[in-house]
Amino acid sequence: EPEVTQTPSHQVTQMGQEVILRCVPISNHLYFYWYRQILGQKVEFLVSFYNNEISEKSEIFDDQFSVERPDGSNFTLKIRSTKLEDSAMYFCASILRLAQETQYFGPGTRLLVL
Amino acid sequence: QKEVEQNSGPLSVPEGAIASLNCTYSDRGSQSFFWYRQYSGKSPELIMSIYSNGDKEDGRFTAQLNKASQYVSLLIRDSQPSDSATYLCAVNRANYGGSQGNLIFGKGTKLSVKP
Repeated sequence: EPEVTQTPSHQVTQMGQEVILRCVPISNHLYFYWYRQILGQKVEFLVSFYNNEISEKSEIFDDQFSVERPDGSNFTLKIRSTKLEDSAMYFCASILRLAQETQYFGPGTRLLVL
Repeated sequence: QKEVEQNSGPLSVPEGAIASLNCTYSDRGSQSFFWYRQYSGKSPELIMSIYSNGDKEDGRFTAQLNKASQYVSLLIRDSQPSDSATYLCAVNRANYGGSQGNLIFGKGTKLSVKP
C-alpha cells in the first residue's frame, strides 16, 4: 500500500541553524500538509500546499518557515533559523482530493534544537 | 478560535470491556471527522472517519456523529491491551468555505487497557 515517507527520522541541530525536513507524499496525491507536535501537546497544522503554492497556513508558520516541492515528488519544510521552541515532531500528510478524504501521515521527523 | 476538545484521561478499562471516547468541536462548518490512534513517539494512524450523522461501524470500532450537538465519539468493543494508546479526534472543513482541508486536532485521550 502506498505510504508517505519522511527523512530524516531524527535531526539534531544548533539554535540558529537551518534545517530542511523532507517528505515524499503518496504519488498521485495533490494536496500536501505539514503538521507539528511539541512533546506532550496536540498535533498542530502548519501549512497546506496545492498546485505548487501555499494554500493555507497557520499563525505558527511565520517567515522562518518555507515549503517547496522542488522536483514533483519531494515536499520539503525549511526552517531558516531554528529556535529552541521549534523542537517537535514534524509530520507530513497528503490527500488526493479535499472532499471526504482521509489524510495519511508520514512517520515524522523528530527535530531537537539545542 | 476553532477548537476540538477531548478528555485527556487517562481512561482505564479492563481487557474485554467497552472503551468510550468523546470529542466536541466548536466549528459548525466542520464537515469531516476522524479518529486517529497514536502510540508514543509515532505518527497518527487513522482508525475511523465519519461524515454523516449517526453511527459507523468497522470491526470493533464504532464512530458516532451528532452535528447538532457538535459531538463525535468512538466506541471500542472488546478492548485489548494493544489498544492502549492516545486517541486523537480531528475535524476539518473539507472544501467548505475555502478551507484547504487542514485538520484541527484535539489533545487526545490516553487509553489504558488492563489485562
